[in-house]
Amino acid sequence: EVQLVESGGGLVQPGESLRLSCAASGFTFSSYAMTWVRQAPGKGLEWVSSIFSTGVVIYYADSVKGRFTISRDNSKNTVFLQMNSLRVEDTAMYFCAKDRRTTGGKIVEYFQNWGQGTQVTVSS
Amino acid sequence: DIQMTQSPSSLSASVGDTVTITCRASQDISYSLAWFQQKPGKAPRSLIYAASTLQSGVPSKFSGSGSGTDFTLTISSLQPEDFATYYCQQYNSYPLTFGGGTNVEIK
Repeated sequence: EVQLVESGGGLVQPGESLRLSCAASGFTFSSYAMTWVRQAPGKGLEWVSSIFSTGVVIYYADSVKGRFTISRDNSKNTVFLQMNSLRVEDTAMYFCAKDRRTTGGKIVEYFQNWGQGTQVTVSS
Repeated sequence: DIQMTQSPSSLSASVGDTVTITCRASQDISYSLAWFQQKPGKAPRSLIYAASTLQSGVPSKFSGSGSGTDFTLTISSLQPEDFATYYCQQYNSYPLTFGGGTNVEIK
């Protein structure tokens, strides 16, 4: 059974940092891209960042570029989101998702599983 | 960035109804379109990818169609557990972008 378990959220003040983790199990972690998606209170889903299977290819939303860093440890089946210089507008539930698996350049699985999320609140 | 526009933003339907949600992309995304369901306080659930491919375990009452810029999600024979918010998402290019959501409510 695929499991994605996020941790590391909490209440911080503007300008502070948090490091989110997403521990994965039940699948071959190193074969999948991983993605963080967030949802502000009462709002829709917003893509934050993605990291491809080897960790070389990385993308960020403009709203977090330069402040957030995504990384992964394939030996520990974990993906991280280092969040620096946090702002009030970063307040959201942060979900990690098992993104794509490709074969021969074709996407054969996509966004099949999500974690339950970890709450990040930025407030003074 | 590719903008995703969902319509309607909300709809009311009765148990047993069939409903259709539309998602329009601001440019051609081929078949790179996914649909998600989310209930209050819960994580999203993946329903469909590649515009029409059902995720494993998703009942066939959910169906997706479309290509290019226009896509639809159809839910047949609505049941109480289907009342939720539905989102489309394009993955043709980064940044990945979601539609604003469609809230399906009980009439």
